[in-house]
Amino acid sequence: GENVEQHPSTLSVQEGDSAVIKCTYSDSASNYFPWYKQELGKRPQLIIDIRSNVGEKKDQRIAVTLNKTAKHFSLHITETQPEDSAVYFCAAITLSGGYNKLIFGAGTRLAVHP
Amino acid sequence: DTGVSQDPRHKITKRGQNVTFRCDPISEHNRLYWYRQTLGQGPEFLTYFQNEAQLEKSRLLSDRFSAERPKGSFSTLEIQRTEQGDSAMYLCASSNPNEQYFGPGTRLTVT
Repeated sequence: GENVEQHPSTLSVQEGDSAVIKCTYSDSASNYFPWYKQELGKRPQLIIDIRSNVGEKKDQRIAVTLNKTAKHFSLHITETQPEDSAVYFCAAITLSGGYNKLIFGAGTRLAVHP
Repeated sequence: DTGVSQDPRHKITKRGQNVTFRCDPISEHNRLYWYRQTLGQGPEFLTYFQNEAQLEKSRLLSDRFSAERPKGSFSTLEIQRTEQGDSAMYLCASSNPNEQYFGPGTRLTVT
């Protein structure tokens, strides 16, 4: 079945540094890739997404890149701040053929130290 | 608040009891999803509705679990004869059509 692997499981950076989280997916038909941020005790919050017809998307300090050939996608956070500390989940979805479920990675716990 | 809402936020029940959770999606969203999340893991898909039709169910959803969305608006998830392994956060999400927005979840503890 579909599978999404996410690395690293934990990431610790100093404030102002960049953070990169990487995911790989197994279903070559996947064509939509959202990223969610989840703070402790709160709901997953959609922070950025990318579709398969685009290689890169940027929104202020966060960016996502997609390599369809390698079935890799990554989240890049620049100029990290303590409030970026959270668990980040990548996910993949197939938007056609009746499949509409998100398959999540296991998450990356990001800690940004002042 | 026009986001996804869930009720109750917390539920403690004894093993063997039945529980029911409710999800109210964003009003214009026709797609509704249920997920289960355990500590340290990503959400796992349980089931999906498009309007009132339940179009997909995960193999994780045993016959003790049932979900409905009778009028294509709110949805309920019922767990019968709860087991300790059912303890988890149950998340609801809605979309129209693609970006999924999550509710705050119902945390179930089975004692």
